[in-house]
Amino acid sequence: KAGVTQTPRYLIKTRGQQVTLSCSPISGHRSVSWYQQTPGQGLQFLFEYFSETQRNKGNFPGRFSGRQFSNSRSEMNVSTLELGDSALYLCASSLSRNNNSPLHFGNGTRLTVT
Amino acid sequence: GQQVMQIPQYQHVQEGEDFTTYCNSSTTLSNIQWYKQRPGGHPVFLIQLVKSGEVKKQKRLTFQFGEAKKNSSLHITATQTTDVGTYFCAGVDDMRFGAGTRLTVKP
Repeated sequence: KAGVTQTPRYLIKTRGQQVTLSCSPISGHRSVSWYQQTPGQGLQFLFEYFSETQRNKGNFPGRFSGRQFSNSRSEMNVSTLELGDSALYLCASSLSRNNNSPLHFGNGTRLTVT
Repeated sequence: GQQVMQIPQYQHVQEGEDFTTYCNSSTTLSNIQWYKQRPGGHPVFLIQLVKSGEVKKQKRLTFQFGEAKKNSSLHITATQTTDVGTYFCAGVDDMRFGAGTRLTVKP
């Protein structure tokens, strides 16, 4: 079974630009969560989607948005990039959080904002 | 929202020494999950604890869930260099992660 796939692996953008990251969950997984990981802040929860609906949202500004498609694939978008947005963005899928199933993480997209 | 605090932030041990990381929540948790992230890798699920006072073992790793379901610990006996990484706890209710404990092991 293929794992969680995130594209692209690396991205370099300049301040003010916008970026879209993609995540393909494990087949059959309907829940997709996004996390931002930085050395000083650990894993910060961005949002979670289930069946194309956002179920939970972290404390990030509105510049961070996401969506989920009918095939459970998910994208997250960051507009008006700031230097502080440089981080590793991790996507995780699970069967269903209501069943308390474990999160399966992808390898992440490393975003650098210059 | 739920706050999950994890200590210590860093731990450096000599190979063969024991290691413990602690996770504390401001609210009662339905259950808790533990993950390990190797350097350069992504978090990998280790275990889930559900019951009050539960203790689970995986070889040299022992996981505990407090009686009040507000705290948890991970103990590694006789650390090895393969244990190097960052260990995270996560409250399942809203999947907020602790800041993690970064373990380094000196051979």
